[in-house]
Amino acid sequence: EAQVTQNPRYLITVTGKKLTVTCSQNMNHEYMSWYRQDPGLGLRQIYYSMNVEVTDKGDVPEGYKVSRKEKRNFPLILESPSPNQTSLYFCASSSQGQGAYGYTFGSGTRLTVV
Amino acid sequence: AQSVSQHNHHVILSEAASLELGCNYSYGGTVNLFWYVQYPGQHLQLLLKYFSGDPLVKGIKGFEAEFIKSKFSFNLRKPSVQWSDTAEYFCAVSSYNQGGKLIFGQGTELSVKP
Repeated sequence: EAQVTQNPRYLITVTGKKLTVTCSQNMNHEYMSWYRQDPGLGLRQIYYSMNVEVTDKGDVPEGYKVSRKEKRNFPLILESPSPNQTSLYFCASSSQGQGAYGYTFGSGTRLTVV
Repeated sequence: AQSVSQHNHHVILSEAASLELGCNYSYGGTVNLFWYVQYPGQHLQLLLKYFSGDPLVKGIKGFEAEFIKSKFSFNLRKPSVQWSDTAEYFCAVSSYNQGGKLIFGQGTELSVKP
């Protein structure tokens, strides 16, 4: 089944403790992206990757890092999480640039930073 | 700045009522248009999309949307809603002028009373 898999689904952590949210897709998509979803703000792009070893900042990249060492994986790294990063995170992939033809989304990761 | 605006933050309807959710965008040039739905606790799923051709597009579960280029609008409609349509709905637009980046609206929460 074609899908984007994120882990974990739920995560509670403390301020400053580094964490990684994994994302993997099995559709051989070149383009992958991370979004955060906050009430009243919709989805805002954090980082995106056009292909292996090619990543770039989205609209809200501060406090996040990403890497794209393999085509299928695109982990999101929070080196020193803070409470304002409490949010619902979605990974997405697309066969064409920047989701111009639509995304396939992962199931989401609800992160709480205390 | 380019943006996508959804007119209503929260809509409450009774079953069998008709639905129309507004979406306006501020991009120029060629655009691709999408509506995504997010059921409670789930990830975003594509409801329908418009790339070209007939401006009235039909999606899954009886939803349709009409692209009116002169009004920069892409409103979502359904003649008769069901309780199971309770969800959050996101309009999204990609523009080739912006490198194909997909931008989301703020979302509209739909509550359908049985």
